[in-house]
Amino acid sequence: SQQGEEDPQALSIQEGENATMNCSYKTSINNLQWYRQNSGRGLVHLILIRSNEREKHSGRLRVTLDTSKKSSSLLITASRAADTASYFCATDPKRDSGAGSYQLTFGKGTKLSVIP
Amino acid sequence: EAQVTQNPRYLITVTGKKLTVTCSQNMNHEYMSWYRQDPGLGLRQIYYSMNVEVTDKGDVPEGYKVSRKEKRNFPLILESPSPNQTSLYFCASSITSYNEQFFGPGTRLTVL
Repeated sequence: SQQGEEDPQALSIQEGENATMNCSYKTSINNLQWYRQNSGRGLVHLILIRSNEREKHSGRLRVTLDTSKKSSSLLITASRAADTASYFCATDPKRDSGAGSYQLTFGKGTKLSVIP
Repeated sequence: EAQVTQNPRYLITVTGKKLTVTCSQNMNHEYMSWYRQDPGLGLRQIYYSMNVEVTDKGDVPEGYKVSRKEKRNFPLILESPSPNQTSLYFCASSITSYNEQFFGPGTRLTVL
């Protein structure tokens, strides 16, 4: 089934810098979500953006969605060591009827390291 | 506290020995799902359930079974585990398939 692909696979930055991660997907979607995973632990939901939205903010997070390019970006501003984690995008593909597919498909993630 | 619990958290077993990983949520969610996570492959969905007695295959259902007899519980059953099922397993629940999903802490399974 279709799957989001995050880019880059790994990213290393200094504390205080901004981190940008990208996600590309293949088919039309109803919404796109970003999750964070600390090493070996369960995923935690960060933000959901609907297909009719272009940008969304939550604290230090900014997500954009470009449905014409089938891509999304996650920006973490003023990064902290505690932001060190893997970040995944997940898409809710749209079926021909326009309804969701009942499956959230995840990408392989971007591993972010924030160096103190 | 709203949460998804999984048991056991760690399990080492041998090929062919049936096992069940339990999953329970206390948020009255209708949608529940099982994923496996493998290095380089990301999260892949095994099975999902839209509601009680309604289950369907995900992307990698071979070798797994599930049941949804009660809204809160969604156990994952491996009838005859094999080494290629060694993985990190996550259960998740949400109001619907397209809403925020709440993940359990994970079950690390090793099949020898």
